[in-house]
Amino acid sequence: DTGVSQDPRHKITKRGQNVTFRCDPISEHNRLYWYRQTLGQGPEFLTYFQNEAQLEKSRLLSDRFSAERPKGSFSTLEIQRTEQGDSAMYLCASSLEGVSPLHFGNGTRLTVT
Amino acid sequence: DAKTTQPTSMDCAEGRAANLPCNHSTISGNEYVYWYRQIHSQGPQYIIHGLKNNETNEMASLIITEDRKSSTLILPHATLRDTAVYYCIVRYSNTGNQFYFGTGTSLTVIP
Repeated sequence: DTGVSQDPRHKITKRGQNVTFRCDPISEHNRLYWYRQTLGQGPEFLTYFQNEAQLEKSRLLSDRFSAERPKGSFSTLEIQRTEQGDSAMYLCASSLEGVSPLHFGNGTRLTVT
Repeated sequence: DAKTTQPTSMDCAEGRAANLPCNHSTISGNEYVYWYRQIHSQGPQYIIHGLKNNETNEMASLIITEDRKSSTLILPHATLRDTAVYYCIVRYSNTGNQFYFGTGTSLTVIP
């Protein structure tokens, strides 16, 4: 399968713990995006990378959130000191440059208890 | 913020064409219209995109009005597996390169 891969698919954690998610994009895609989706809502943009450079961050990305893409390939999204409000599906997508569409993975569902 | 308006929900009989409308009245000249769908517990799936001309692929057709203020996604022969939430997105170049999703249209295909 050469699609976008996310790991883990599900994560249950206790409030206050740190969590890290991984995304492996389609190999030739130089752009990588993170989105968050809560029940009944469309995905909300968090941040995106072009190669290893993080070019834009949403105001939704509080200082407890950090994303990296160290070698311009896979990316990680870390949430520190998780809160119940962080419970959501975290989606990763990748694309080529220009007007190429985004291709999404199946997400990591986070539940904070 | 999403700059598109879609009906909240629609029904379609199996085997019939499903026509999903989208309004994007503030679209500007170099901005594309994209359609995605999302089945429960999966990531959004890309369907089609276009600028001015109508587009067709193996999944669907996209009809964009001449003034580009609205578009329609057509699933020519809807099946039960087409039941999903459909998102119409306009890619706004002045907000960077991210896609802004609205709440989409929940399409139910009825046997």
